[in-house]
This record gives sequence, structure tokens and C-alpha cells, in this order.
Amino acid sequence: LAKTTQPISMDSYEGQEVNITCSHNNIATNDYITWYQQFPSQGPRFIIQGYKTKVTNEVASLFIPADRKSSTLSLPRVSLSDTAVYYCLVGDWYNNNDMRFGAGTRLTVKP
Amino acid sequence: ETGVTQTPRHLVMGMTNKKSLKCEQHLGHNAMYWYKQSAKKPLELMFVYNFKEQTENNSVPSRFSPECPNSSHLFLHLHTLQPEDSALYLCASSQSTGELFFGEGSRLTVL
Repeated sequence: LAKTTQPISMDSYEGQEVNITCSHNNIATNDYITWYQQFPSQGPRFIIQGYKTKVTNEVASLFIPADRKSSTLSLPRVSLSDTAVYYCLVGDWYNNNDMRFGAGTRLTVKP
Repeated sequence: ETGVTQTPRHLVMGMTNKKSLKCEQHLGHNAMYWYKQSAKKPLELMFVYNFKEQTENNSVPSRFSPECPNSSHLFLHLHTLQPEDSALYLCASSQSTGELFFGEGSRLTVL
């Protein structure tokens, strides 16, 4: 089971790009990297998933270096509503028991 | 609306009560999960069911008893709980892609 390490908290301002990095040194060959966003008193919500290189969707980009020992979630031009906790999960999705969350990164966006 | 519905949304119970939390998913997924989230703590994986079979019990006390009668429904039966069991209980489902779909959660308060 790949363990993940993220910064506990980050601050940003509206309109800035935010990059949150996750370390996963013992990632396995079959593991994918998935990021979730969670608002208070709600369940986490899927943001993006990748295996290697770069993935982009309408809300974020995910950068994964060749060694896959880390990944970076990039949120372009954040707004106040992006204030949330962001979690990085690493696992083999054919093994449902890999669905374990770490401490996450609490992002605070200021006006 | 994620396709995962949890009831009740709020529950207050005494330590001697017996209650149940219900989760229903309308997504055709084969895996369902219970997570516990205490105040300002990461999500803790409690139970995993895959095709109605329990595949993970993360050292959860026996006062929590899961039941999965079919792939669409998941219950968490509660009895003789302790005040420290007060938390947000989140249900999720997934298919083999690794994307978890969470319900809104059931906020439990044990008096």
C-alpha cells in the first residue's frame, strides 16, 4: 500500500494558480493516482486521476514525473469556493482495500 | 447529486440505543464502502464490500455491524456506541476505475 505525504495546509489568493504536491515514494506498477476535494460536512469529490505524464480536465491538471514518486495537482486561477481539503490517493483500483485517505492538504483561498 | 444516497442525514442516539445507517447507490457499481470522519481528522476506511462480500474490516469495533444485502444497498448497524463514535459516516461506491462516489454523509451524535 503506497503511503502518501502532502503538506498539511496551504494559503493562496483569488486568481492565483495553486500547486499541491503529493509524495508517494513506494508507488507500485499497477497504482494510479487520484485526487479528491472535500468541503466541510460533505463527502469527497473526484477531481482528476492519472498514471503518468500529464492529465488535464476542465477543473485541474495533474503532473506526474517519470519516476512516479510524486504528483502535483494544479488548480488554475483559484476562487474562494476552492477553499477545501484536497486528498491524494494512490492505489491499484482492482484492490478495493487501497481506498485509504491520508491527512490531505487544507487549502485556504483568500480574497 | 452523486448517485449515492445516505439516510438519515442526522442522527442523535443514546449509548444504549440501536440504530442503522442506510446507503443506496444507483450507479451500478460493484464495490461499496463505509468511512468514518471525526472532527478535523482524515477519513478512516471502516468496511469494504465487493460484490456483496466483505473484503475489508479495518479493525472496527464490533458495536459497528455492516450489512450488504445486494450490490446497491449498504447498512451500518449501530449499538451500544460511545460518545467518541460521534462523527460523520460516509458511504461510497466505485467500479474498477478507482473513482469513489460519496454520499452526503450521516452526521451521528452519541450522547
